[in-house]
Amino acid sequence: GAVVSQHPSWVICKSGTSVKIECRSLDFQATTMFWYRQFPKQSLMLMATSNEGSKATYEQGVEKDKFLINHASLTLSTLTVTSAHPEDSSFYICSARDRDYWNEQFFGPGTRLTVL
Amino acid sequence: GQQLNQSPQSMFIQEGEDVSMNCTSSSIFNTWLWYKQDPGEGPVLLIALYKAGELTSNGRLTAQFGITRKDSFLNISASIPSDVGIYFCAGQHGGSQGNLIFGKGTKLSVKP
Repeated sequence: GAVVSQHPSWVICKSGTSVKIECRSLDFQATTMFWYRQFPKQSLMLMATSNEGSKATYEQGVEKDKFLINHASLTLSTLTVTSAHPEDSSFYICSARDRDYWNEQFFGPGTRLTVL
Repeated sequence: GQQLNQSPQSMFIQEGEDVSMNCTSSSIFNTWLWYKQDPGEGPVLLIALYKAGELTSNGRLTAQFGITRKDSFLNISASIPSDVGIYFCAGQHGGSQGNLIFGKGTKLSVKP
């Protein structure tokens, strides 16, 4: 149980285009999902916290107009990187908190974004 | 953002050796978590610690929540090649709804 999936697992896009990444909790309901970014050989940095049915809370320094987050249901959150640039190339990882077991976050397998 | 001090940054050990890594923080955490991340994958939870002084094992892994609530260590006994990966500690402030703050990771290499 407690599986989180991400789609796509990797994506290559041209500079200036937008990319959508999906995060799904497969066997539990997640009222809260988190989006992290991880640059090579670095740690996970929280970008934003997404609560079902409400606006996401962004960490300091993360542009909300560039990284659009939608958490429309208890099992799906999406991150859209708008007008992507090469410096947005990174590993994006989501996690989901089980509505019934708040102590733990379950992580997805990550999405590798490469912007040319 | 805030990060934890995790050490060592990397370790190269022989198969069968024991491994120890730790994390320290200038602030108090209510929860300490240890994750392992394989290349190109998301982190996988190894051990969760919820009380100061708590010592918890998961197979060959043992982790402790420091009594000051500002540190934690992870030990791996009798390492095997599949232990290779990056290990992250993470602390959580406040209640269970607090955000996770990650250490910078310890890269473990195991020579067969």
